[in-house]
Amino acid sequence: GAGVSQTPSNKVTEKGKYVELRCDPISGHTALYWYRQSLGQGPEFLIYFQGTGAADDSGLPNDRFFAVRPEGSVSTLKIQRTERGDSAVYLCASSLLGTSGGLDEQFFGPGTRLTVL
Amino acid sequence: AQTVTQSQPEMSVQEAETVTLSCTYDTSESDYYLFWYKQPPSRQMILVIRQEAYKQQNATENRFSVNFQKAAKSFSLKISDSQLGDAAMYFCAYRRYLGGSNYKLTFGKGTLLTVNP
Repeated sequence: GAGVSQTPSNKVTEKGKYVELRCDPISGHTALYWYRQSLGQGPEFLIYFQGTGAADDSGLPNDRFFAVRPEGSVSTLKIQRTERGDSAVYLCASSLLGTSGGLDEQFFGPGTRLTVL
Repeated sequence: AQTVTQSQPEMSVQEAETVTLSCTYDTSESDYYLFWYKQPPSRQMILVIRQEAYKQQNATENRFSVNFQKAAKSFSLKISDSQLGDAAMYFCAYRRYLGGSNYKLTFGKGTLLTVNP
């Protein structure tokens, strides 16, 4: 079956603009995760959805960042008033169950590279 | 909080040779999972190998094996018979086994592996 997909692949925007990044998880996966990967760093956790609800949004850096998953499948990460420091690759992952421990493998999408000029 | 350290920003290996990538981590937990992920230029994170901390036997997956030293909190990846397709960024990652936030992956900064023909 299809893997995790993310759109757009690349997004260039100007400082202060609003952007939306989309994630389509693997069909049937109830858990969805967003990570941010800055240049030269490993991915860092942003937010975790179990179904439609955000079970943990402790990784969101500030209130300019928001994510939704209204029907429990597709998720959108929204960034308001973008800043140059928001430039990074935003990775989405999904897994079957979420909180069942390490056997629940997270499958990653190819990410969206966001560049804020 | 758990931390993951990869002390080798870059490594290179000749095709068909063996290379070892290092990873150390810090945790107060007794049960957890450790992972090696591969990230090629396509940006998609691919799970290479997984180790459960409660298992003493080192995990192996074809040409990939780990040396897990729990007391030393060390988790190195050995790639045998290196192939050109192994060239990528490699990330070591930690995940709690049970309890709060056991869905979060904590990544190191990565090691860029170059394979020379």
